[in-house]
Amino acid sequence: EADIYQTPRYLVIGTGKKITLECSQTMGHDKMYWYQQDPGMELHLIHYSYGVNSTEKGDLSSESTVSRIRTEHFPLTLESARPSHTSQYLCASSEWESEETQYFGPGTRLLVL
Amino acid sequence: GENVGLHLPTLSVQEGDNSIINCAYSNSASDYFIWYKQESGKGPQFIIDIRSNMDKRQGQRVTVLLNKTVKHLSLQIAATQPGDSAVYFCAERGGNLIFGKGTKLSVKP
Repeated sequence: EADIYQTPRYLVIGTGKKITLECSQTMGHDKMYWYQQDPGMELHLIHYSYGVNSTEKGDLSSESTVSRIRTEHFPLTLESARPSHTSQYLCASSEWESEETQYFGPGTRLLVL
Repeated sequence: GENVGLHLPTLSVQEGDNSIINCAYSNSASDYFIWYKQESGKGPQFIIDIRSNMDKRQGQRVTVLLNKTVKHLSLQIAATQPGDSAVYFCAERGGNLIFGKGTKLSVKP
């Protein structure tokens, strides 16, 4: 069982609200990732980080932003949520030496009304 | 462009039978492939991986086959159990990991 956590697990929020999805891992992994996944569909990388103070945009354009102030935490923020942001957001982490083996959190299901 | 996809969106098998889940990829430069299992309400879980210099790799009840000639990847699950019911994703590395659409495996008792 991977030690990577996401909160909240479910979030229903109104349009225009600012939200932050939390992700933390206790494995000391340098690399962390955020994926967006619609039900039954593939995962799309939206952000990743090589380590503290490193953030990179992923393959899928996203209006969200991320920060990496501490190794353990990689929060994702939406300044103004819209219904098009409704999706599942998955956080993952990996060791620098074996970056392909990513450990995933349980995900946050976001519904924007 | 790069594309990783699965041939069948759903697969239903009888408990105890073997399951085969397929995946096609288009980036011949990809050097590493992974299969993930995602159960309902959970994040993907690593199952098995294979590097491009290999054709076959076996784990516990699972085998991954790589055919680079036709850019095809498969996951074989022996003696499928109800606990194997999940969505299975293949992923390739040609830079960042690229995930396919997933196949939902249902196991009938």
